[in-house]
Amino acid sequence: ETGVTQSPTHLIKTRGQQVTLRCSSQSGHNTVSWYQQALGQGPQFIFQYYREEENGRGNFPPRFSGLQFPNYSSELNVNALELDDSALYLCASRGGLAGAVGETQYFGPGTRLLVL
Amino acid sequence: GESVGLHLPTLSVQEGDNSIINCAYSNSASDYFIWYKQESGKGPQFIIDIRSNMDKRQGQRVTVLLNKTVKHLSLQIAATQPGDSAVYFCAENPPNAGNMLTFGGGTRLMVKP
Repeated sequence: ETGVTQSPTHLIKTRGQQVTLRCSSQSGHNTVSWYQQALGQGPQFIFQYYREEENGRGNFPPRFSGLQFPNYSSELNVNALELDDSALYLCASRGGLAGAVGETQYFGPGTRLLVL
Repeated sequence: GESVGLHLPTLSVQEGDNSIINCAYSNSASDYFIWYKQESGKGPQFIIDIRSNMDKRQGQRVTVLLNKTVKHLSLQIAATQPGDSAVYFCAENPPNAGNMLTFGGGTRLMVKP
């Protein structure tokens, strides 16, 4: 176990709805990243949060947004859900400085989102 | 954009044999690489990592080799066990990308008893 937890484990939504996914980082880790993993593919980077601010973003539209709290836990919000948003959403945490290379990222078990 | 890819989508090996999973990366400036193992219904699990100033790194039953000349990464698993059956991803940390990891498409390792 990595110590990274996510909730809920599974979620079903309909097109156009909004969803909030949650992540608790490993103790002592101040950086949280979110990834989207479509079925049969590798994870795709959404964005990263460091000290409560977004610090890096992948190729995802603004309807994907997030928050990080003082205890380093994080939320991923997706508005106006589309069918293609169906995926496994992974949270990863790490320690060290935001831009430091070589700090291992530890992943949570993910939240599987199905959009109908 | 540049990306990380894998040569073999599926690898089937006999229990006890050694496994080699390969990965090609295209960003020659990437300086950190990681192998993850993902079992069905779980998140990626860190296996081993390597910085670009190294050619080889060994862990418990696993070895990662980095060939910067041909931009190739491999994961060697010794004495493969049924519990090693999973999808394996290589990932790179491109320069000036902070914490972002670029993942390949994955290789499924199947271990036959």
